[in-house]
Amino acid sequence: QSVLTQPPSASGTPGQRVTISCSGSSSNIGTNTVNWYQQLPGTAPKLLIHSNNQRPSGVPDRFSASKSGTSASLAISGLQSEDEAGYYCAAWDDTLYGFVFGTGTKVTVL
Amino acid sequence: QMQLVQSGAEVKKTGSSVKVSCKASGYTFTYRFLHWVRQAPGQAPEWMGCIAPFNGDTNSAQKFQDRVTITWDRSVNAVYMELSSLTSEDTAMYFCARSSLSGFLRSPFDIWGQGTMVTVSS
Repeated sequence: QSVLTQPPSASGTPGQRVTISCSGSSSNIGTNTVNWYQQLPGTAPKLLIHSNNQRPSGVPDRFSASKSGTSASLAISGLQSEDEAGYYCAAWDDTLYGFVFGTGTKVTVL
Repeated sequence: QMQLVQSGAEVKKTGSSVKVSCKASGYTFTYRFLHWVRQAPGQAPEWMGCIAPFNGDTNSAQKFQDRVTITWDRSVNAVYMELSSLTSEDTAMYFCARSSLSGFLRSPFDIWGQGTMVTVSS
């Protein structure tokens, strides 16, 4: 039962820009930083973005993210076939006193 | 090479318990929180709880508080997650994951184990 809401799917052709939204509340996104994870089929999630908009070493700058109020978004510019994966937002929730994840968005490269 | 290696797949009967291990290597084990996250087939990840290897303190999601036990063995750099009273709804991939910042509970997960599939059937 995910606390953060994402669209179930997004798609684009190679080279296009895709954006994914993540909606939360004052107890999670509104108060704490947002992280994004990419999950390729059959593998563990991988940290893609941390602290709202920071890319770990090795993550291409095609991936960017932002946060405003109780919502966040992830953008993939110059979409590539290897970007086809599940994407999840996550944040700490002060009320639940634990991490909460988004419902997930499956990105398809057409 | 920093990594987390988990124990193998499990098949359990309804009502029984399962214990999954996660062994850390390539970094100083005691400084980073270790978390457990599960993911049912086709579903989003779900945080279960964590342990602080530097003092053994644990924190569990309310949903699992009555059923989950997280422990650690510093002598072998391993943490364990035991889930009791299993039902079919516990069928999922179970991951351990490391906090990216030393001593900071709320930091994101930068290293993940490969996952352990737990299947529960009657």
